[in-house]
Amino acid sequence: ETGVTQTPRHLVMGMTNKKSLKCEQHLGHNAMYWYKQSAKKPLELMFVYNFKEQTENNSVPSRFSPECPNSSHLFLHLHTLQPEDSALYLCASSHDLWTNSYEQYFGPGTRLTVT
Amino acid sequence: GQSLEQPSEVTAVEGAIVQINCTYQTSGFYGLSWYQQHDGGAPTFLSYNALDGLEETGRFSSFLSRSDSYGYLLLQELQMKDSASYFCAVLNSGYSTLTFGKGTMLLVSP
Repeated sequence: ETGVTQTPRHLVMGMTNKKSLKCEQHLGHNAMYWYKQSAKKPLELMFVYNFKEQTENNSVPSRFSPECPNSSHLFLHLHTLQPEDSALYLCASSHDLWTNSYEQYFGPGTRLTVT
Repeated sequence: GQSLEQPSEVTAVEGAIVQINCTYQTSGFYGLSWYQQHDGGAPTFLSYNALDGLEETGRFSSFLSRSDSYGYLLLQELQMKDSASYFCAVLNSGYSTLTFGKGTMLLVSP
């Protein structure tokens, strides 16, 4: 498999559920990102990892918890979400934060609906 | 902080040329990227400008004027498959992350 993959592609969860989103990249990159995409809004950067170290948390609520066990895998753990968290969650990767970080490769996203 | 402005929607016909503008205000700037996203698809990288001037890649070109905090994406010989959303994104100095605009939906008609 090539590129950036994300699972699941669609997720419906209640406000009291706990779920996790998974991202895997097969590009040999060392930087990985989580973005939130809502209708009529810009892509919002949530978290950044560079060589497995978290470098940025863009004031994201604690109900979103990222995990990066290695440079190829990224998770987003979700718990007690709110309906306004319904959105498309996109994972991306780049070579690293110092080399070609302007060129990011995105996965297809997970469409999350919180009921 | 960072802010980017681009038109919300642009329409054109097949074979035409269209220009999508992007103006930005930023506290730290390395360069300007452009991404394409088809409905239901993932954003894909199109181009990057770090220096003033025009970069050409096939039917697509991108321009940057750092002094004017302005850039544009030029699409030539439009095809139906070019119907998509196009995002400009500033590469921020310091953290080397991207800040995206809201996107411009391009509708190409026959």
